[in-house]
Amino acid sequence: KAGVTQTPRYLIKTRGQQVTLSCSPISGHRSVSWYQQTPGQGLQFLFEYFSETQRNKGNFPGRFSGRQFSNSRSEMNVSTLELGDSALYLCASSPGTSGWGTDTQYFGPGTRLTVL
Amino acid sequence: GNSVTQMEGPVTLSEEAFLTINCTYTATGYPSLFWYVQYPGEGLQLLLKATKADDKGSNKGFEATYRKETTSFHLEKGSVQVSDSAVYFCALSELVGNEKLTFGTGTRLTIIP
Repeated sequence: KAGVTQTPRYLIKTRGQQVTLSCSPISGHRSVSWYQQTPGQGLQFLFEYFSETQRNKGNFPGRFSGRQFSNSRSEMNVSTLELGDSALYLCASSPGTSGWGTDTQYFGPGTRLTVL
Repeated sequence: GNSVTQMEGPVTLSEEAFLTINCTYTATGYPSLFWYVQYPGEGLQLLLKATKADDKGSNKGFEATYRKETTSFHLEKGSVQVSDSAVYFCALSELVGNEKLTFGTGTRLTIIP
């Protein structure tokens, strides 16, 4: 089975621009979660989608948004980029059907976003 | 809210040494507990997990036991190798119908030959 894939792997943007990152989950997985990893804040949860619905959201400003398509692929969008948005953005997928947090999340390699 | 506290790093050990990385958690319910590993330039890989008290997760020589009484999930390995050099993250998942993971700060482990 193919793993979680994320595109692009690297991205350079300037302040004020917007960016869209893509994530393809493992086949059959219906839950996709996004995390931001920075040296200062560590790994922080952004949001989770299940069956095209946002099921949970972390404490990030409204500039961060996402969506999930009927094939479970997900995108996240960051508008009006700030220098502090430079980070590794990780996507994780899981079956999402246990409903009790016991599903293992499988991570992609991440997208490294640099904001200049 | 939920939180995970990990042993401060970095940790440097000689090959074949015994490894312990401490992890304690705070949670309102009965979370599942995980150890993930991140190699340079890569995403996170699940190392092991435990879903209830007294469960022991194990993989690749690593072990961790879910201790509810001490709210701990310490990672151990009897004999480390150079290839174990990586960053290790302890995490918990709430049993409230979602897939959110709460992570510790990570512990960078370097093994020298």
